[in-house]
Amino acid sequence: AQSVAQPEDQVNVAEGNPLTVKCTYSVSGNPYLFWYVQYPNRGLQFLLKYITGDNLVKGSYGFEAEFNKSQTSFHLKKPSALVSDSALYFCAVRGLNAGNMLTFGGGTRLMVKP
Amino acid sequence: NAGVTQTPKFRVLKTGQSMTLLCAQDMNHEYMYWYRQDPGMGLRLIHYSVGEGTTAKGEVPDGYNVSRLKKQNFLLGLESAAPSQTSVYFCASSRDYISDTQYFGPGTRLTVL
Repeated sequence: AQSVAQPEDQVNVAEGNPLTVKCTYSVSGNPYLFWYVQYPNRGLQFLLKYITGDNLVKGSYGFEAEFNKSQTSFHLKKPSALVSDSALYFCAVRGLNAGNMLTFGGGTRLMVKP
Repeated sequence: NAGVTQTPKFRVLKTGQSMTLLCAQDMNHEYMYWYRQDPGMGLRLIHYSVGEGTTAKGEVPDGYNVSRLKKQNFLLGLESAAPSQTSVYFCASSRDYISDTQYFGPGTRLTVL
């Protein structure tokens, strides 16, 4: 069975500082990895994905994520946080043997303070 | 394009009542999904569809039924609502299933008393 862990329920950073939201996964075979963001009372919005190729993936709003196969991680990063980045972030994984199942982590709330 | 829309946005049911949630997408996507979101548990897949006329069970299908009579619509039904089904329900769609991005609707907040 595939799974995703987001070990931090909440991450607090000051505006202008770099941010990291952690994600580790477990899946059979090569993973397809995704990050989504959810603003209050809204649906999830796609940020970025890793399918194959370069381990550093760049996405929307200045976010990027690094795929690390040996550590089975896909941490989300941004060099300089904005207050408007405050939201709930979800990591998700799909393995080749999972059919159409996309498994989500429990989510990490990012709070960026001015 | 409206993307993915969901009807209704909010609903309160009494235990044992039934209801249907409607999801519509205008992106001509083949794949559609229903998830539920509960605090601290992320999103869990209830049912999904790989095309018109097809449906399949996801991770938490019990107590729910679905239908995909038209490509653009995916209906989620609760035949006899239970308090454990109090949740926020999200519909999503995608062009294909392996690597493609899923696009989400705004959600339906359901409370079962």
